[in-house]
Amino acid sequence: AAGVIQSPRHLIKEKRETATLKCYPIPRHDTVYWYQQGPGQDPQFLISFYEKMQSDKGSIPDRFSAQQFSDYHSELNMSSLELGDSALYFCASRDRVNTEAFFGQGTRLTVV
Amino acid sequence: DQQVKQNSPSLSVQEGRISILNCDYTNSMFDYFLWYKKYPAEGPTFLISISSIKDKNEDGRFTVFLNKSAKHLSLHIVPSQPGDSAVYFCAASASGGGSQGNLIFGKGTKLSVKP
Repeated sequence: AAGVIQSPRHLIKEKRETATLKCYPIPRHDTVYWYQQGPGQDPQFLISFYEKMQSDKGSIPDRFSAQQFSDYHSELNMSSLELGDSALYFCASRDRVNTEAFFGQGTRLTVV
Repeated sequence: DQQVKQNSPSLSVQEGRISILNCDYTNSMFDYFLWYKKYPAEGPTFLISISSIKDKNEDGRFTVFLNKSAKHLSLHIVPSQPGDSAVYFCAASASGGGSQGNLIFGKGTKLSVKP
């Protein structure tokens, strides 16, 4: 069965650079969530989209933005990267009928 | 303030015995609860869930119990196997109308099952 696909799996950027993380949800899932997990921390909700509209916003810095496209894939854009942005970034998708959210394998972002 | 709390950061159990992982929540609007299992550097894997209209849900070796009055849920794994060793996250969401409530996670409990 198709799962949530995230790309890239690993990304190394320098301070003040920009990064774009991509998430391809499970087919027919219309809701996408982004989470950030720092070392030794629990996943922190960043932002979510439902039917291509932002549905909820968590602890997402102003330097980050995200959107969901017509094919339901989502991109998380991160600018002016800081060392503290180094983390695992997970995307999850969910459909309107089922309520389990399924996660991708994550993107490990390292800012040096 | 943590809305979902897993107060035990770690748990060690002997193979074949029962593992009990606990989770408490504070938001009475939560109506759907999930357990995820996570290995290092991998995404969380959905394990089992329970709706607030139930007090128990069972799937093979995994059973989740929900006590709404105490705002407490627990995950029982019987019998525990070494392959169950992972970090277990409790998550909760609040649905309402047409919205899809985001998942709020606890800090996780690291389960170690010893052979």
